[in-house]
Amino acid sequence: AQTVTQSQPEMSVQEAETVTLSCTYDTSESDYYLFWYKQPPSRQMILVIRQEAYKQQNATENRFSVNFQKAAKSFSLKISDSQLGDAAMYFCAYRIYNNNDMRFGAGTRLTVKP
Amino acid sequence: NAGVTQTPKFQVLKTGQSMTLQCAQDMNHNSMYWYRQDPGMGLRLIYYSASEGTTDKGEVPNGYNVSRLNKREFSLRLESAAPSQTSVYFCASSHILGRAFFGQGTRLTVV
Repeated sequence: AQTVTQSQPEMSVQEAETVTLSCTYDTSESDYYLFWYKQPPSRQMILVIRQEAYKQQNATENRFSVNFQKAAKSFSLKISDSQLGDAAMYFCAYRIYNNNDMRFGAGTRLTVKP
Repeated sequence: NAGVTQTPKFQVLKTGQSMTLQCAQDMNHNSMYWYRQDPGMGLRLIYYSASEGTTDKGEVPNGYNVSRLNKREFSLRLESAAPSQTSVYFCASSHILGRAFFGQGTRLTVV
C-alpha cells in the first residue's frame, strides 16, 4: 500500500516570509496525483494545489507552488509572502491515477507569526 | 452549492451504542469515501465506494460498516461503539480522475 510521510509535525513562519512544507511518498506506480490540502480551525478541507505525476512542470497557484521530484518521490509545498490566514494544518495526499484509494500524510501544523 | 453534506456535526455515544453517519453529495460523483482524523495521524481511509453498489475497505475498516445507498448517499455505521472510535469523521466524494471534496466533518465522542 502506498504511504505518505510528512516529516514536519509543526512549522512556523514570519508573516511575509516564505516557508516550505515537506512531503514524501512511497509508490511503485508511475501515474498518480498529488495534492496539498489546507485545514483551518473550521475543520473544512480546502484544496490548495494539485499535481499530475506525468507533468514535469511544477504546479503553481498564486502564492503556492510545489517542488515535485518524481524520482525522489518528493512533493514539497512552498508558500510565499505568508499571510496570517495561511495558518492551518496542511495535508499532503496521494492518489493513483484511475483508482479510488486516496491516502493522506499525518499533517503539518503551520503557524504564522505577525 | 451544497457539495458534500454530513450529518450529524457532533455526537456523543455510550460504549456499545450504535449509530449511522449520513453523507450525501450533489455533484454526481462516482467515488465516495469515509475517513477518520486523529491527532498526529492525519486522515485515515476507512472505506470507499467506486460506484453505487460497490464498497472497498481502506486502512482502518474494523468496527465499521458502510452502505452506498445510491449514487448520492454513502453512510457509515458503527454497530457497537468503542472509545477507540472517538474521532472526527469526514465524508468525501470525487470524480475518478479528480480532487476530493469534503464534508464539514462529524466529531464523535464515545464515552
